[in-house]
Amino acid sequence: QAMLTQPASLSASPGASASLTCTLRSGINVGAYRIYWYQQKPGSPPQYLLRYKSDSDMQQGSGVPSRFSGSKDVSANAGILLISGLQSEDEADYYCMIWHSSAYWVFGGGTKVTVL
Amino acid sequence: QLQLQESGPGLVKPSETLSLTCTVSGDSVSSPSYYWGWIRQPPGKGLEWIGDIYSSGRTFYNPSLKSRVTISVDRSKNQLSLKLSSVTAADTGVYYCARLPTLDNREDYYYGMDVWGQGTSVTVSS
Repeated sequence: QAMLTQPASLSASPGASASLTCTLRSGINVGAYRIYWYQQKPGSPPQYLLRYKSDSDMQQGSGVPSRFSGSKDVSANAGILLISGLQSEDEADYYCMIWHSSAYWVFGGGTKVTVL
Repeated sequence: QLQLQESGPGLVKPSETLSLTCTVSGDSVSSPSYYWGWIRQPPGKGLEWIGDIYSSGRTFYNPSLKSRVTISVDRSKNQLSLKLSSVTAADTGVYYCARLPTLDNREDYYYGMDVWGQGTSVTVSS
């Protein structure tokens, strides 16, 4: 079982909200981790969006619109990236990441977001 | 403005050592404010962290690659380098360097990648 699981794809309409999940493997408690989110468009490097641990421990990336926000669903053991007011330019792959307690970074497999 | 530029051979033969350089401009690899790292992405696949280095030389490596990886810094050239030995076709992909901020210049506490280079493509083939 992968340490971080993301749905392979998600489609939504322009103007809608999209909730991207990053589910942590059983035994890894999402409450203890900062979840990082990155956006990657074809042919470009990943761009840092934000990190979220709690409402008091979060950071928005430089120049990242406020319609990108982070949260957690503790019951589902998942980090969430919410994109409000979807725009065509938001079509991209989105990756989550954590710093594992054994001292290494782990990426999720990525979610491809399509704006219909 | 910070810029990271990866460079190196685009083609490496199987069993040989892949060597890449990342030239940093607009900041210093000696700064206590940052770690510097390498990440890769196989064609059509997701991201894989390779390792990070601090100005002191402290390193963290992906456990799955640790036996083959060496990351170092050249302060005189303001560069970081990556060496990956005994490469196979599975090492083909785009290799990125990135900056990772520390908390209050602490070596023991740092955050994830906030700035990435454009990446350089490497193919392992005979």
